[in-house]
Amino acid sequence: QKEVEQNSGPLSVPEGAIASLNCTYSDRVSQSFFWYRQYSGKSPELIMSIYSNGDKEDGRFTAQLNKASQYVSLLIRDSQPSDSATYLCAVNPANFGNEKLTFGTGTRLTIIP
Amino acid sequence: EAGVVQSPRYKIIEKKQPVAFWCNPISGHNTLYWYLQNLGQGPELLIRYENEEAVDDSQLPKDRFSAERLKGVDSTLKIQPAELGDSAVYLCASSPSRSADTQYFGPGTRLTVL
Repeated sequence: QKEVEQNSGPLSVPEGAIASLNCTYSDRVSQSFFWYRQYSGKSPELIMSIYSNGDKEDGRFTAQLNKASQYVSLLIRDSQPSDSATYLCAVNPANFGNEKLTFGTGTRLTIIP
Repeated sequence: EAGVVQSPRYKIIEKKQPVAFWCNPISGHNTLYWYLQNLGQGPELLIRYENEEAVDDSQLPKDRFSAERLKGVDSTLKIQPAELGDSAVYLCASSPSRSADTQYFGPGTRLTVL
């Protein structure tokens, strides 16, 4: 089992709709969870972080975390063509001094005008 | 504030040749990371530095890869000799603290091994 799993997509969503991206992780003691956006040919850019169970909203983005189910998701409301990118889920176990990010393979999102 | 700087941005070499990548982190960032990203995959950590000390190099293929950060600022990642499977993007990231939570990525170096 991979440490961080994502549906690789591609995921196509009409402009203005809600895009839902999902991620599961295997290390139950993981503490920190992140969503990075990566445009084609560019480097990853942090867009959301979440540390506690529940929802965290930032503009059109909402991150959801469920540690019991080892599941984290990202919702993008009112999707725009500029949201078309690959979204990487990353997890930091942050235990016993083990500070590192483990990334999923990413989900490629396309917003259809 | 200047971001993470990497050079070169692109490199094409023949297999068995050596290659080196350079990274200058954001000023004041003590923690530096080198990642490898294959096409269609997420970044994979190669090595993490805290100042000049390599604190996690467990994923670095030490038979052909080496890295240094002699003065705790800029860093060099070297491959010698390069193999076809080394073709990838090599990303450098830096963080202002020991926590891996806040990382800023450089633009990356795209390596093609022929």
